[in-house]
Amino acid sequence: EVQLLESGGGLVQPGGSLRVSCAASGFTFSNYAMTWVRQAPGKGLEWVSAISDSGGNTYYADSVKGRFTISRDNSKNTLYLQMNSLRADDTAVYYCAKFNTALVVVAAFDHWGQGTLVTVSS
Amino acid sequence: QPVLTQPPSSSASPGESARLTCTLPSDINVGSYKIFWYQQKPGSPPRYLLHYYSDSDKGQGSGVPSRFSGSKDASANTAILLISGLQSEDEADYYCMFWPSNVVFGGGTKLTVL
Repeated sequence: EVQLLESGGGLVQPGGSLRVSCAASGFTFSNYAMTWVRQAPGKGLEWVSAISDSGGNTYYADSVKGRFTISRDNSKNTLYLQMNSLRADDTAVYYCAKFNTALVVVAAFDHWGQGTLVTVSS
Repeated sequence: QPVLTQPPSSSASPGESARLTCTLPSDINVGSYKIFWYQQKPGSPPRYLLHYYSDSDKGQGSGVPSRFSGSKDASANTAILLISGLQSEDEADYYCMFWPSNVVFGGGTKLTVL
């Protein structure tokens, strides 16, 4: 059974940094691209970032480009999102999700984690 | 950033069909894109339902009942999620998604099963 477990969320001040993680199990992690999608409280879904199976290709939404960095450690079956220069409008539940492909191509996000809440506030 | 337009809410009775729409901007042809649909129930993460490009290029998520289906209305530049034989458990938010360059989600439709 595919399982994705996010961690690392919490309260951070504006301008601060936070790294969230996603531990994967139940599938061969290194064979699939991964992505982060966020959801502000009471709002819709917003795609944040994606990374290919090897980590060699990364992609970002304009709203986070230059501030967030996606990475993965295939030896630890873990996906990361390093978030710097955080702003109030970054407050959201951050979901990791698995592509059903190795590359970041037009494909479904076929499994999702439960999410971790990041709150940016003073 | 292109916008996918979804009605904020929709309702139907058990046993009926619900037709949820996702309209693309007029300068982007729905016929050129694969559209993905996700379901999200309160307090839960999204669930992949299906994708639709054409009748010969479509797919269903694992365990998703066949009463969930996708289609397109080219005249309205709209993608459609049809849920037939509505059940109370289908009450949820539904999001469409596509990839013009980066991923874009629609604003979501809250489906109420009366």
